[in-house]
Amino acid sequence: ETGVTQTPRHLVMGMTNKKSLKCEQHLGHNAMYWYKQSAKKPLELMFVYSLEERVENNSVPSRFSPECPNSSHLFLHLHTLQPEDSALYLCASSQDGAVGKLFFGSGTQLSVL
Amino acid sequence: AQSVTQLGSHVSVSEGALVLLRCNYSSSVPPYLFWYVQYPNQGLQLLLKYTSAATLVKGINGFEAEFKKSETSFHLTKPSAHMSDAAEYFCAVSGSNQGGKLIFGQGTELSVKP
Repeated sequence: ETGVTQTPRHLVMGMTNKKSLKCEQHLGHNAMYWYKQSAKKPLELMFVYSLEERVENNSVPSRFSPECPNSSHLFLHLHTLQPEDSALYLCASSQDGAVGKLFFGSGTQLSVL
Repeated sequence: AQSVTQLGSHVSVSEGALVLLRCNYSSSVPPYLFWYVQYPNQGLQLLLKYTSAATLVKGINGFEAEFKKSETSFHLTKPSAHMSDAAEYFCAVSGSNQGGKLIFGQGTELSVKP
């Protein structure tokens, strides 16, 4: 198990449901990320949080809502999703200054029916 | 703007054979380049990174990659494949001031035949 833990590992939800993905890192890092991994497509950066900055990818639909209550926890709140949102959602953390050195969780495999 | 292209979505080699996974990048600033590996049912793990020091970079598990500016390439190699190398490999690019905001390629799945 890595220092980044994601729950749940699998999630099946209907389009009218509201659910949340959780990520917790035990590495003392100060930046956290959400990536979306769809089959046969490059990983897509969704959101970034750090002590200094929150960056949103403008192409992320508002049905995805991130929350970072502290530097160790990151949530992704989901509501009224579409079937095309089915994917593996990966959380990662890093230490500011360690360019590109991300530590990933195992992901949440999301299926939207 | 930055982008990464991985040539070949699937590569198959025999155990003991040379592994070569291709990556070409485009970047308007001096790039930082990375290779990540993803084993089944796991998250991504950093294999190696280039950050403007030596052009030949050695990583974990016997992998290495060479930065060639003239070819805008950062191909990943391993002299002798092992069954445990079967996984998906991702090339990624970042700028020096972009922290963890990596731009990933679409990935190359490596199969190793006995």
